[in-house]
Amino acid sequence: DAMVIQNPRYQVTQFGKPVTLSCSQTLNHNVMYWYQQKSSQAPKLLFHYYDKDFNNEADTPDNFQSRRPNTSFCFLDIRSPGLGDAAMYLCATSRDPGVMAAFFGQGTRLTVV
Amino acid sequence: AQSVAQPEDQVNVAEGNPLTVKCTYSVSGNPYLFWYVQYPNRGLQFLLKYITGDNLVKGSYGFEAEFNKSQTSFHLKKPSALVSDSALYFCAVRDAEDSNYQLIWGAGTKLIIKP
Repeated sequence: DAMVIQNPRYQVTQFGKPVTLSCSQTLNHNVMYWYQQKSSQAPKLLFHYYDKDFNNEADTPDNFQSRRPNTSFCFLDIRSPGLGDAAMYLCATSRDPGVMAAFFGQGTRLTVV
Repeated sequence: AQSVAQPEDQVNVAEGNPLTVKCTYSVSGNPYLFWYVQYPNRGLQFLLKYITGDNLVKGSYGFEAEFNKSQTSFHLKKPSALVSDSALYFCAVRDAEDSNYQLIWGAGTKLIIKP
């Protein structure tokens, strides 16, 4: 049973055209994360929500925004995608940001054309 | 500075042989250590973690890892490799005293199991 669901699995967008990736969870976890992963490299944390508190990583570009309208859903908005934003985007959840392991979704592979 | 090192980009093992994927870390406080596996075009799957207690941790799919504080290592092991274990493996560490809960990731090790 899928617990962290990302839609779509594959997304193609045009250069500069806003795109939104979605993530939902059935775990009722407090924390939701968005990671960017390029070419089998280590995932890079963009930001996370602890309940409604938004925590942005210092080096996350302003082009990336996030929304969490409720516990179950979290969105990643890329306002003006560039070619360098093509990557796998991973959503993850955890019950708390401390000792609990994160559960990951299957990821959305974003292609920018 | 906090860091994780996975010294091998790739590890090749024959099916049925034991496997080891290496991980060393550096944190200022006590470490919380994690291993994740990633199959092609998939998200990461949690394998196991060390928080406290027994240094030998058993996880999913027959994997285990041993926390060695003196060597600051947390190597992933399996007694008998399967072809289906071929994947990308990531080690990650969190400093227990880090109030930002930052998770530091290793660069990943590609494990190839040959029949």
